[in-house]
Amino acid sequence: DIQMTQSPSSLSASVGDRVTITCRASQGINNYLAWYQQKPGKVPKLLIYAASTLQSGVPSRFSGSGSGTDFTLTISSLQPEDVATYYCQKYNSDPLTFGGGTKVEIK
Amino acid sequence: QVQLVESGGGVVQPGRSLRLSCAASGFSFNTYAMHWVRQAPGKGLEWVAVTSYDGNKEYYADSVKGRFTISRDNSKNTVNLQMNSLRGEDTAMYYCARGIWSSSGCPDYWGQGTLVTVSS
Repeated sequence: DIQMTQSPSSLSASVGDRVTITCRASQGINNYLAWYQQKPGKVPKLLIYAASTLQSGVPSRFSGSGSGTDFTLTISSLQPEDVATYYCQKYNSDPLTFGGGTKVEIK
Repeated sequence: QVQLVESGGGVVQPGRSLRLSCAASGFSFNTYAMHWVRQAPGKGLEWVAVTSYDGNKEYYADSVKGRFTISRDNSKNTVNLQMNSLRGEDTAMYYCARGIWSSSGCPDYWGQGTLVTVSS
């Protein structure tokens, strides 16, 4: 099975900072990669699918890139409401594996 | 708007069974795949199973294969998860979610979840 590895596992940044989270697949998955945001005590929310397509209603400060095995989620200007854990997920074939998550905090 | 409401969670002894249900509304249920995803307390997300739009295809995580069965009733807009031979490691919040494709695809809309606790 394809493994999904996220890094870092946690980060702390200041409001307004540019934040980058990476997700690496152990084999190529084309662009079948999604990113989710889960705020504390809340349900996961789809941010990006097809590696770079922003889900409707998601702020434009979020962006995704990559193809094959290496992917990136970028928050261009970190806001207090972005405090959350972010997960990547591959969906090219089963099992639809999630990455381990990246916890984002405000410094 | 899309609504997914899970039910059926609770406390169950190891080795016993439990059936979760998810009632869907606000979209054409019979054209979308449906997933179950779980999250153990304080842990990350784990995909569990998916059923295609017509129920003819099902896929499972290795951790539940042979013990869990996903099914759907398109006449009632419901998707179920039959969980047998439950183990302590199955303790988690279980989310029902809609896939973006008819066959599978990443989940876009999620329910609020139902908590399953496996304990003697």
